[in-house]
Amino acid sequence: GAVVSQHPSRVICKSGTSVKIECRSLDFQATTMFWYRQFPKQSLMLMATSNEGSKATYEQGVEKDKFLINHASLTLSTLTVTSAHPEDSSFYICSARDRTNTGELFFGEGSRLTVL
Amino acid sequence: GDSVTQMEGPVTLSEEAFLTINCTYTATGYPSLFWYVQYPGEGLQLLLKATKADDKGSNKGFEATYRKETTSFHLEKGSVQVSDSAVYFCALSASGNTPLVFGKGTRLSVIA
Repeated sequence: GAVVSQHPSRVICKSGTSVKIECRSLDFQATTMFWYRQFPKQSLMLMATSNEGSKATYEQGVEKDKFLINHASLTLSTLTVTSAHPEDSSFYICSARDRTNTGELFFGEGSRLTVL
Repeated sequence: GDSVTQMEGPVTLSEEAFLTINCTYTATGYPSLFWYVQYPGEGLQLLLKATKADDKGSNKGFEATYRKETTSFHLEKGSVQVSDSAVYFCALSASGNTPLVFGKGTRLSVIA
């Protein structure tokens, strides 16, 4: 099946620094990618929808200036957590839908961010 | 808006026991329904799906039937294994362009 790769899988950073997480669709083109955040023992919360070549659409309550999303190509979307704080520590998961829009989403392996 | 409700866990079963994880949904129109599995420390993997009423999705011994009359998509497996220990998420997609809406997840622990 289709593969979505996320990098890094784990990152530890100091408070106040910025962290970039990459999401790549390896064998298909993704016009739309979604970024989710998962809190411990909770479900996935949609943060934003990323469309290639246009601005991301953020869900209510998600700070777009803090969580910068760029979808520069059909195979790459990035999430940058700016000026990270300990409360930003979480598991971030991206997903991608291929251009045929079959309805199935392919998920990355997730990136665990720990802010000290 | 659209929502998914699944039974809360954790669920602990002995190996070879029968598994049912309930899932009901609220949506306008005719959504596609999914079960995803998340093994410890990993991302989500699609387990099975159904795109219309009365469809049955199946994979790795797991089954779920799309029941429009009861707005349900319960996950079942006849004989669980220790390797099935994971968190299971029920989800729906209202249309091809919308993101998935997830239930809260049900943690399953299977003991030998």
